[in-house]
Amino acid sequence: AQSVTQLGSHVSVSEGALVLLRCNYSSSVPPYLFWYVQYPNQGLQLLLKYTSAATLVKGINGFEAEFKKSETSFHLTKPSAHMSDAAEYFCAVASGNTPLVFGKGTRLSVIA
Amino acid sequence: DAGVTQSPTHLIKTRGQQVTLRCSPISGHKSVSWYQQVLGQGPQFIFQYYEKEERGRGNFPDRFSARQFPNYSSELNVNALLLGDSALYLCASSSGRAGELFFGEGSRLTVL
Repeated sequence: AQSVTQLGSHVSVSEGALVLLRCNYSSSVPPYLFWYVQYPNQGLQLLLKYTSAATLVKGINGFEAEFKKSETSFHLTKPSAHMSDAAEYFCAVASGNTPLVFGKGTRLSVIA
Repeated sequence: DAGVTQSPTHLIKTRGQQVTLRCSPISGHKSVSWYQQVLGQGPQFIFQYYEKEERGRGNFPDRFSARQFPNYSSELNVNALLLGDSALYLCASSSGRAGELFFGEGSRLTVL
C-alpha cells in the first residue's frame, strides 16, 4: 500500500524567507508524486508533479520539489515566501492506476 | 474552458437523511473521482469512475454510492447520514494520465 507522511502540520516563515515543506512517501513500485495547494474555502490546485522524468521538478508560483529515491522524499521548496503563499499544502502519491493518496497536509503561514 | 463544477456548494442535513452531490468534469475528461476531506485532514478517496464504470472504491461503508452518466458527469449519494459524514466532498476529473487530478471547489456538507 502507498502512503505519504508530511512532517509538520504547521510551518511558519517570514516573508522573503525560504519555504521548506517535507514529504516522505512509501511505495512498492515507482511512484508518481504530487504537491497540491488548497486556499481557504477552495478545492485543490496542482502545484507540481513528478512522473519519473527529471528528479528536480519546477511548478507554479516559484515552487519546486526534488525526488530523492534513496531518502524516499519529495520535499517542496520556494526560495522566497510571499504573503499569498499562505495556504494548506498536500503531498500525494500514486502509481499506475491506483488512486491518489494524500498526506494530512501542512498549513503554511507567512509572517510579514 | 470551465473547470470541474460541483453542486451544491453548501448544504445542511440532519442525521438519517440522504444527500446527493453532483459533479461535472472538465470537458473531454472521462474519469471522475470523489474524495472526502474532514476538517484538518487530507482528502480520502471514496470512488473513481471511468467511462461509467467503477474503477476503484475506498474504505467507505455501503451507505456511500456513486454513478457516472453518459456525459461523464457524476453523482455521489450518501444514505442514513451520520454526524461523522460532515466534511468537504471533492470531485476531481482527469484525462487518464496517472494521478493528475483537477479538483472542483467542493460541496461542504454539515450533518446536524
